[in-house]
Amino acid sequence: QQPVQSPQAVILREGEDAVINCSSSKALYSVHWYRQKHGEAPVFLMILLKGGEQKGHEKISASFNEKKQQSSLYLTASQLSYSGTYFCGTEDTSGTYKYIFGTGTRLKVLA
Amino acid sequence: DAGVIQSPRHEVTEMGQEVTLRCKPISGHNSLFWYRQTMMRGLELLIYFNNNVPIDDSGMPEDRFSAKMPNASFSTLKIQPSEPRDSAVYFCATTYGTSGSGELFFGEGSRLTVL
Repeated sequence: QQPVQSPQAVILREGEDAVINCSSSKALYSVHWYRQKHGEAPVFLMILLKGGEQKGHEKISASFNEKKQQSSLYLTASQLSYSGTYFCGTEDTSGTYKYIFGTGTRLKVLA
Repeated sequence: DAGVIQSPRHEVTEMGQEVTLRCKPISGHNSLFWYRQTMMRGLELLIYFNNNVPIDDSGMPEDRFSAKMPNASFSTLKIQPSEPRDSAVYFCATTYGTSGSGELFFGEGSRLTVL
């Protein structure tokens, strides 16, 4: 079953912050985050493997709450280049190593 | 490295025709995934292989779809016969290892249009 992301879409001004959530109905082993620009392939941002782990990449960071089966992506001081569709990719604990992608969040940053 | 290579990039065909999409993984990557992307359904996992063996094909929509990985350097996704509802972008993605051990590297995708 596909993880659910929220919000479905968000519009920001440059410099504003945003949070994208990913919620799964299954126990998760790992969560990946990807960004896809229009007409391009998804590009990897980061992996989170442990419950409660938080990772950062410049002004983009993420957390993973294993117990709640949720992950959140935090974008601070957004830039025009952050525009795109964000997907969480999840791997459950069944041992099948399947990567299932979430429903996606469209983010548009305006000047 | 050249990355994941998919062909063709664009395919326009008529309903009922056979379609074959191809993927060359990054050298050394032993897991390969086929995804289909549409506006309505997002990124759907169709099938994935580990060490050339199909592990899970539960996402393959129906018998018209088949996938093979005859060796570590090549995989195909075939649709026969094709239908208009198969129109989508098909991505191949590869990684090394299994359980959350690495990022997925995506090919540029094959955009299929079935008339």
